[in-house]
Amino acid sequence: DAGVTQSPTHLIKTRGQHVTLRCSPISGHKSVSWYQQVLGQGPQFIFQYYEKEERGRGNFPDRFSARQFPNYSSELNVNALLLGDSALYLCASRLGTGRSNQPQHFGDGTRLSIL
Amino acid sequence: AQKITQTQPGMFVQEKEAVTLDCTYDTSDPSYGLFWYKQPSSGEMIFLIYQGSYDQQNATEGRYSLNFQKARKSANLVISASQLGDSAMYFCAIGEIQGAQKLVFGQGTRLTINP
Repeated sequence: DAGVTQSPTHLIKTRGQHVTLRCSPISGHKSVSWYQQVLGQGPQFIFQYYEKEERGRGNFPDRFSARQFPNYSSELNVNALLLGDSALYLCASRLGTGRSNQPQHFGDGTRLSIL
Repeated sequence: AQKITQTQPGMFVQEKEAVTLDCTYDTSDPSYGLFWYKQPSSGEMIFLIYQGSYDQQNATEGRYSLNFQKARKSANLVISASQLGDSAMYFCAIGEIQGAQKLVFGQGTRLTINP
């Protein structure tokens, strides 16, 4: 079975632009989460979606938004890009929102560079 | 708020030796899950092992075991018989038992296995 797939793998943008990152979860997984990993640090939680509804939000500005589609895939949108948005953006999927021994499985990430 | 502390920025170990990666946590939640992930240089986060706060026994998954000491709020990862392919960043994380499972990660430990 395919794992979590993310696109694109790399992206270069300039300050002020907008970006959309995409994620397809593992087949059968209904929960998708987004994380930002700045170089040299651990990932930071941005959003979690389950059954197309936002179920959790991290401490990120309103420039960050996301949505989940009926097929459970997800998009992360970032507006008015800043240099500090340069990071690896990781998507993770999970079967549901039940027992925590169902771990999150991560994709390979999208590496976003802001010039 | 939940917090993870990993005090070892880097570790160097000879192949076939056992290695312990330290993780301490802080949380006010009565129930929680603890996770370890491996991140090779390619970037993907690979789930290794999970420990629930109410689990009576320490978790084990193949060569990985989790030394869970609840009173000390520590959840150290033990890798037995290390291999060259174990060289990577290792992250400890804490999350809710149910719901969004917003994972909070530590800073990570870079493990290097020497031949």
